[in-house]
Amino acid sequence: TQLLKQSPQFLSIQEGENLTVYCNSSSVFSSLQWYRQEPGEGPVLLVTVVTGGEVKKLKRLTFQFGDARKDSSLHITAAQPGDTGLYLCAGPLSGNTPLVFGKGTRLSVIA
Amino acid sequence: NAGVTQTPKFQVLKTGQSMTLQCAQDMNHNSMYWYRQDPGMGLRLIYYSASEGTTDKGEVPNGYNVSRLNKREFSLRLESAAPSQTSVYFCATPGGNSVSPLHFGNGTRLTVT
Repeated sequence: TQLLKQSPQFLSIQEGENLTVYCNSSSVFSSLQWYRQEPGEGPVLLVTVVTGGEVKKLKRLTFQFGDARKDSSLHITAAQPGDTGLYLCAGPLSGNTPLVFGKGTRLSVIA
Repeated sequence: NAGVTQTPKFQVLKTGQSMTLQCAQDMNHNSMYWYRQDPGMGLRLIYYSASEGTTDKGEVPNGYNVSRLNKREFSLRLESAAPSQTSVYFCATPGGNSVSPLHFGNGTRLTVT
């Protein structure tokens, strides 16, 4: 059972384009996190969203947590080659239990 | 600050061989985790340790054992490696609560032939 479904699985775009990736669940999460992973490295945290309806901005990246806390999105404005990587969403099933991860969206930004 | 250190970085085993993956953290965190990452499968939890002296199974524990040697170190052992255990293994440690970031090592790439 895949608790966190990410879409699309792959995305290849030109530099300067905008994009949105999604993380959806039928379960309510107390919080969701987004990570970015580059080849040969472990994932690195981008943001944590904790309140339904919350919007957080990190330079050209905008993260949103759904009102019902079942879904989240990541929007990148004017993508750059440096944005290339694997984007993972993750959340705790309950309390302080280990995070469960989605399968990720692999983004390629072509110059 | 090293954060989370994993050794080795790469390993090739033959079916039936055993090995131990090592993980050490210098962040003084209580919890430590082992995940495996396979193409198209995301990160799946193998085992975790909420504190020194405790370990619990995750989503995919079969074929693995773990030891929480002390607060800093958490090792993962494959007693009899199988090709299905070919994967990239990540050790991670969270901060003190559910919104704390997970800090990952750089992974061990294991191939079982």
